[in-house]
Amino acid sequence: AQSVTQLDSQVPVFEEAPVELRCNYSSSVSVYLFWYVQYPNQGLQLLLKYLSGSTLVKGINGFEAEFNKSQTSFHLRKPSVHISDTAEYFCAVKRGYSSASKIIFGSGTRLSIRP
Amino acid sequence: GAGVSQSPSNKVTEKGKDVELRCDPISGHTALYWYRQSLGQGLEFLIYFQGNSAPDKSGLPSDRFSAERTGGSVSTLTIQRTQQEDSAVYLCASSSPSGRGTDTQYFGPGTRLTVL
Repeated sequence: AQSVTQLDSQVPVFEEAPVELRCNYSSSVSVYLFWYVQYPNQGLQLLLKYLSGSTLVKGINGFEAEFNKSQTSFHLRKPSVHISDTAEYFCAVKRGYSSASKIIFGSGTRLSIRP
Repeated sequence: GAGVSQSPSNKVTEKGKDVELRCDPISGHTALYWYRQSLGQGLEFLIYFQGNSAPDKSGLPSDRFSAERTGGSVSTLTIQRTQQEDSAVYLCASSSPSGRGTDTQYFGPGTRLTVL
């Protein structure tokens, strides 16, 4: 079975500073990986996803993530954050090549931006 | 096109009462998920419907929770004899799995349930 660990429950950073939100997964099979974002009082929306191919994935709002198979990680990064990036970020994993498998979410990381 | 909709947006009920939460997925999406998000917590998987297959109920926390999906579209999550610890935001998501399972989930706005 797959599982996801988000090591940091909260990450405070100053505006315009870089940020990295960590995500590690465990799986014995190939996986698809996702990052979702939940802005205050809104639903979740997809930020980016890794299915195959290039290990560096670019998403919306200047975010990117790198799939590292040897370290079983899929960390999310942004070189310079804005106040509007304040949100909760969820990493998720799904068994690859299986339409029937369900998506498993991590516990989330709350990103707070300080001016 | 229309996204995933959920109703009601807010529900306040008394302990011991039954509640029904509704989810209308995106038309044509064969997969439907229910999650629970308690205050300050992550997403707790509840149940997963995929096409005509038997649902994956492995996340339902107790036998007070049940869900149906009629005609492969609308889903109803029912909580019987509600308890205060059931208070949370209940999220629904739908997706359209391809043959390679590359589906992206689309989330509804959620139903905020408060049990007094």
